[in-house]
Amino acid sequence: LAKTTQPISMDSYEGQEVNITCSHNNIATNDYITWYQQFPSQGPRFIIQGYKTKVTNEVASLFIPADRKSSTLSLPRVSLSDTAVYYCLVGDTASYYGGSQGNLIFGKGTKLSVKP
Amino acid sequence: NAGVTQTPKFRILKIGQSMTLQCTQDMNHNYMYWYRQDPGMGLKLIYYSVGAGITDKGEVPNGYNVSRSTTEDFPLRLELAAPSQTSVYFCASFSDTATNEKLFFGSGTQLSVL
Repeated sequence: LAKTTQPISMDSYEGQEVNITCSHNNIATNDYITWYQQFPSQGPRFIIQGYKTKVTNEVASLFIPADRKSSTLSLPRVSLSDTAVYYCLVGDTASYYGGSQGNLIFGKGTKLSVKP
Repeated sequence: NAGVTQTPKFRILKIGQSMTLQCTQDMNHNYMYWYRQDPGMGLKLIYYSVGAGITDKGEVPNGYNVSRSTTEDFPLRLELAAPSQTSVYFCASFSDTATNEKLFFGSGTQLSVL
């Protein structure tokens, strides 16, 4: 199982771009990388997912280098409402990628605090 | 679609009592998970299931049991509640289609064992 390492916490100000990096040195060929956001007293929710290179959606971008040993979640122009814990999840579950283990283990996450 | 529904939302147990946390999903997902989250901490995987009739242990399975008799339901059983099981419990299901691979979480059950 690929273990992930993220910074415990980060501080930012409104309007800034925030980049959170996750290390996953032993990522397997079938593993994909997914980021989740969690607000207090709520379950995590999906932000973005990628396998390699760059992925962008309406809320974030995900950068994955060629060796796939790390990934960076980029949040453009953060606001106070982006204050949350962000988790990087590396797993092999989807049958699309040939995975079958189903064992999705979260790391400790990064607590992002956005200040006015 | 209701998504993933957990009941109850809150529960207080006495040491040694038993209870079942209910989880049901209406998205026809094969994969389902139970996580616990202690205050200020990350998520720990308790048990997971890759389909009806199939379950497996996660990181912290001791003190818990699960069953998966249907695709929709994945209950978590605490047989002899202990204070160390005070936590928030999240159930999740996973969509494994090629275009929609992500976890869907329920709203959680806050459990206190006193």
